Amino acid sequence: EVQLVESGGGLVQPGGSRRLSCAASGFTFSRHWMTWVRQAPGKGLEWVASINQDGAEIFYVDSVKGRFTISRDSAYNSLFLEMNSLRAEDTGVYYCARVLAVHVPVEGGVMAAQSFDSWGQGTLVTVSS
Amino acid sequence: DIQMTQSPSSLSASVSDRVTISCRASQIISPFLNWYQQKAGKPPKLLIYATFNLQSGVPSRFSGSVSGANFTLTISSLHPDDSGTYFCQQTYNTPLTFGGGTKVDIK
Repeated sequence: EVQLVESGGGLVQPGGSRRLSCAASGFTFSRHWMTWVRQAPGKGLEWVASINQDGAEIFYVDSVKGRFTISRDSAYNSLFLEMNSLRAEDTGVYYCARVLAVHVPVEGGVMAAQSFDSWGQGTLVTVSS
Repeated sequence: DIQMTQSPSSLSASVSDRVTISCRASQIISPFLNWYQQKAGKPPKLLIYATFNLQSGVPSRFSGSVSGANFTLTISSLHPDDSGTYFCQQTYNTPLTFGGGTKVDIK
């Protein structure tokens, strides 16, 4: 059974830092892209960052570029999100998720279509003084 | 950035009703569109990936379709357990973006 367990959330002051962790089990961690998604209280979902299998490809939403760093350690089946210069608008539940990639036909060939097929329960980060 | 516009923002329907939720992308993104269901206090659950494909374990009353940049999630016969909020998501390019959500209530 796939399991993703986030930890590291809590109350942090504006301008502060926090490191989130996600412990993965039940699947071959090194074979999957992984991602972080957040949800502000009472709001919708916002993709934050994704990382490929060996960490060579990383993408961020613009609002966290230069402040957040996604990383992974396949030796420990763990995903991380280092968050610096935190702002009130970073408050929310942070989910880690496994990426499912399936090849689909498109004009001219095939491409990998990504979706997030397994999610952790989330960890709450509150940025407030 | 690709904008995803979901409609309606909420709906109330009776058990056994046919329910449709729409998601319009700001450009052509097919087939890179996914649907998720989220219940209060829980993480999202993948229902449909790559526009049409039913995720393993998801009931067959859920289906996805597309016409141009307009995507539809259909629940053929609403069950009591189908209450929750539904989100579409495009994975055509980064930043990956979600629709605003559709809250489904059971009358």
